[in-house]
Amino acid sequence: DGGITQSPKYLFRKEGQNVTLSCEQNLNHDAMYWYRQDPGQGLRLIYYSQIVNDFQKGDIAEGYSVSREKKESFPLTVTSAQKNPTAFYLCASTSQGDTQYFGPGTRLTVL
Amino acid sequence: GENVEQHPSTLSVQEGDSAVIKCTYSDSASNYFPWYKQELGKGPQLIIDIRSNVGEKKDQRIAVTLNKTAKHFSLHITETQPEDSAVYFCAEDNYGQNFVFGPGTRLSVLP
Repeated sequence: DGGITQSPKYLFRKEGQNVTLSCEQNLNHDAMYWYRQDPGQGLRLIYYSQIVNDFQKGDIAEGYSVSREKKESFPLTVTSAQKNPTAFYLCASTSQGDTQYFGPGTRLTVL
Repeated sequence: GENVEQHPSTLSVQEGDSAVIKCTYSDSASNYFPWYKQELGKGPQLIIDIRSNVGEKKDQRIAVTLNKTAKHFSLHITETQPEDSAVYFCAEDNYGQNFVFGPGTRLSVLP
């Protein structure tokens, strides 16, 4: 069963803590992406990676970090430097020239 | 930077009527335009896409039209049903690096 998986579905964080969101794909896609979505809003690009061991900042990278050690995996860490992290986080992947396919999302809430 | 405008931001139609959502883009080099449907609490799902070498594409009740000269493309949904209620996003490719998304349209189909 191919696709993109994100875990956990819901995540709660205390202020000052770092948390890591998981994104895995078995579609053999080269590129992977992280977006943030606030209630009633569109998608804002946090980071993306076109190839293993390489990634670029998107429009709102401050307070976030990523790694791309494996083609299948692109974890996102929300650091304590992100002052307003409560949001819905979406991971996506694509092969060049094709569309992006999205995971089911992780809803992060700061307590 | 690249920008995609999307109108209207909200749209209510009676069941059985048609719905039209329009997007305007700024990059004349863009050649791929997908449409996504996002249901509450879920990741966006691709519903239809179009490339710049065609002017129209249809898949059952949904269709997309592209006017490259005017730099706009539109989503058409005919015979709307309550399950069509969702948020719809348009997007354009950004030099093959990532996608630029419109702000979304919340469609409500009233029974």
